[in-house]
Amino acid sequence: NAGVMQNPRHLVRRRGQEARLRCSPMKGHSHVYWYRQLPEEGLKFMVYLQKENIIDESGMPKERFSAEFPKEGPSILRIQQVVRGDSAAYFCASSPVAASGTQYFGPGTRLLVL
Amino acid sequence: DQQVKQNSPSLSVQEGRISILNCDYTNSMFDYFLWYKKYPAEGPTFLISISSIKDKNEDGRFTVFLNKSAKHLSLHIVPSQPGDSAVYFCAALYRNRDDKIIFGKGTRLHILP
Repeated sequence: NAGVMQNPRHLVRRRGQEARLRCSPMKGHSHVYWYRQLPEEGLKFMVYLQKENIIDESGMPKERFSAEFPKEGPSILRIQQVVRGDSAAYFCASSPVAASGTQYFGPGTRLLVL
Repeated sequence: DQQVKQNSPSLSVQEGRISILNCDYTNSMFDYFLWYKKYPAEGPTFLISISSIKDKNEDGRFTVFLNKSAKHLSLHIVPSQPGDSAVYFCAALYRNRDDKIIFGKGTRLHILP
């Protein structure tokens, strides 16, 4: 039973480029969460999605960031026109039901903006 | 505003002794608390949790204590083993409202031989 998969594991982008981060939840999980970890910080919630719906995006910057979780395929976190401050580790988590309290995390994507 | 605080960035403990990691929170609406363990270049791994209606939960070498009046929880690991060296994140959420987990900044635990 595969865990939460994220790819790429490492991503290097130049300022102004786009970054696309993918997350495949655990089998049977329909709830996906994205978190960002800046250096020396804890993880900070960005967005919570169910299939084809954004449930809570209160932690996501209003500009340049978007997320989707289509009916088929992985969840995508998209960052347009990246800046150096976007350099961070981005973690995806999934859970089988809402309000379960337990989320299973993927290995993360480390984004470096040059 | 840091709602979940881990005031010790790091902690060193002798192998075989007890490790105690502490966490304070400010939001009295939190009703579920979790501890995650994280190795470098990996995602956080769920370790143990506790509901706000309990004051203790035990799972093998790991015990979490919750003091609601003090808004404080702690994770006890006994006996500590070399593989316990990692970063430990305290986390909290308000399950009846949303699934947003609020994390502390983490405590790096070093188990000394």
